[in-house]
Amino acid sequence: QVQLQESGPGLVKPSETLSLTCSVFGGSVTSGSYYWSWIRQPPGKGLEWIGYISNQGSTSYISSLKSRVSISGDASKMQFYLKLTSVTAADTAVYYCARGNSERCLDYWGQGTLVTVSS
Amino acid sequence: QSALTQPPSASGSPGQSVTISCSGTSSDVGGYDYVSWYQHHPGKAPKLMIYEVSKRPSGVPDRFSGSKSGNTASLTVSGLQADDEADYYCGSYGGSNNFVFGGGTKLTVL
Repeated sequence: QVQLQESGPGLVKPSETLSLTCSVFGGSVTSGSYYWSWIRQPPGKGLEWIGYISNQGSTSYISSLKSRVSISGDASKMQFYLKLTSVTAADTAVYYCARGNSERCLDYWGQGTLVTVSS
Repeated sequence: QSALTQPPSASGSPGQSVTISCSGTSSDVGGYDYVSWYQHHPGKAPKLMIYEVSKRPSGVPDRFSGSKSGNTASLTVSGLQADDEADYYCGSYGGSNNFVFGGGTKLTVL
């Protein structure tokens, strides 16, 4: 059974960089056709797909964040990462990591971690 | 990449059926058979309920079913149970390696 767990600072100052880690348990991040994804949910709002990194290392991002976001991975640590630069209060959200698959759906999710942007 | 359109709320009594719609465009919902649905109880991890329009992952009851017509997908929950009360999100492949969610529907079991 695959499990994912997000970790990182719960508070980030405006204009700084948000950095989160997703640790993957019970599965491989290198085998199969998977898309290791980040999704966020601002308070009181719906889910927003941020982007992914594939097993082959290719990335894709939502166009509205493309200039500020990067997703990377470390297969040896079974982890992948999210970096979002120049954050503002609008980036306050619960951030989820999830596994996407070849059926273009997200089949395993982490519990989410709340990141608040505030001075 | 505009969000897919869902009704903000839906409701039904125990045992009844309820259908939630998800409207997109020919660039996402209408263009691919890659529509998925997620159940989200606040504070918990979202759960995949339907993928590829109408397929159920192992362990999801057959009370949950999905369909699509043109640019609109639908999730039907039959035999409503108290535990079905949650937020439901549709999602679709949007081409060019992108993914888009709907705005979410709060399902209330009366």
